This record gives sequence, C-alpha cells and structure tokens, in this order.
Amino acid sequence: QKEVEQNSGPLSVPEGAIASLNCTYSDRGSQSFFWYRQYSGKSPELIMSIYSNGDKEDGRFTAQLNKASQYVSLLIRDSQPSDSATYLCAVILGGTSYGKLTFGQGTILTVHP
Amino acid sequence: EAGVAQSPRYKIIEKRQSVAFWCNPISGHATLYWYQQILGQGPKLLIQFQNNGVVDDSQLPKDRFSAERLKGVDSTLKIQPAKLEDSAVYLCASSFSGTNNSPLHFGNGTRLTVT
Repeated sequence: QKEVEQNSGPLSVPEGAIASLNCTYSDRGSQSFFWYRQYSGKSPELIMSIYSNGDKEDGRFTAQLNKASQYVSLLIRDSQPSDSATYLCAVILGGTSYGKLTFGQGTILTVHP
Repeated sequence: EAGVAQSPRYKIIEKRQSVAFWCNPISGHATLYWYQQILGQGPKLLIQFQNNGVVDDSQLPKDRFSAERLKGVDSTLKIQPAKLEDSAVYLCASSFSGTNNSPLHFGNGTRLTVT
C-alpha cells in the first residue's frame, strides 16, 4: 500500500461544476495535510493546509479531513478553466519531523468550458 | 521576498556523465529539501537539511547521488554517474523552520534528461 494515494485521474469537469479530489494515507499518526496545485511545467504551489478533522474553506476551495477514515479531500466549487492543473496531496506522516512531506501521485484536473 | 532560485533550468547529458544542480533558498529559511519528480508522479524527497546538517537522506541513492549545503545557505545536488532513470525534474524547496506548520516554498526546478 502506498503511503499517500490519490484517486486516479484524469478528472474532467465542466466549467462551473464542483471538482472533488480525494486522498488516503496509510499512517494513522499523521497530523498535517496539504494540497498543492502544479501547472504543467511549473513547480507545486500550496493552496490549502488542514490539521483538524472537519472542513476548512478558503474561497472556492474546501479541504475536508477525516482522520478516523484516513481520508482527506479537496473540493473546488465553481470550477474555472484556470483550475486545470495537477493536484498533489501531501502528508507529514506520523513519526517524521522537520516538515517532511510525502506526496501522492497527483490527480490531473481538466475544466472544460 | 525573492523565491527559491535554482539553476540550471534544463540539462541534457549522456548516461554515465556527471551533473550538478544548485539551489539558493529563501533568505532566512533554515530547512532545505531536494525532491525528485519523475514525469507523471508526485515529488519524492531525496534529502533534507536543517541548517547545514542532514536530517533525512533515507531515499537518496548514495552510490551515485550526493548533496551538500555549505554554511547552511546554498545547496548543490550532484549525480555521478547518471543513469537513464534519473531523468526527472529536480525540485528544491525551503521552509522557515521545518516545523509541521511551516509551508514549503518550491523553486522552478531543473529538468534533467539523460540520454
């Protein structure tokens, strides 16, 4: 089992729809969770972080964390073509220190007009 | 605030040759990371420095890869000799403190092609 696993893509949604991206992780002791966006040929950029169970909203983005199910998700409301990118789930696994991120394989999102 | 600087942006070498990448983190950032991102995959941590000390190099292929962080600022990553499977983007990142709440800032990466 991979330490951090994302739902296989690519994911295609129409403009204005809700895009749902999912991620599971293997280590129950993990405490810190992040979503990065990576445009083609560019470096990853942080869009959301979440540390507690529940929802965290930032503009059109909502991160959801369920530690009991070892599951974290990202919802993008009112999706725009500019949201088309690869979304990377990253976790600081339990027992690691100094902010070491373990990434999932990424989900490619395409928002079509 | 200036971002993480990396050079070169692109490098093409033949297998068995050597190559070096350079990274200058954001000023004041104590923690520096080198990640390898193979096409279609997420980044994989190669080595992590806290100031000029190595915190984690468990996934660094030490028979061919080496890295150093002189005086706790700039860092270089070297591959010698390169293999075809080393073709990837090498990302440098830095964070202020390396704590779990200190976000990583990535450079633009070096795209390495080994032929």
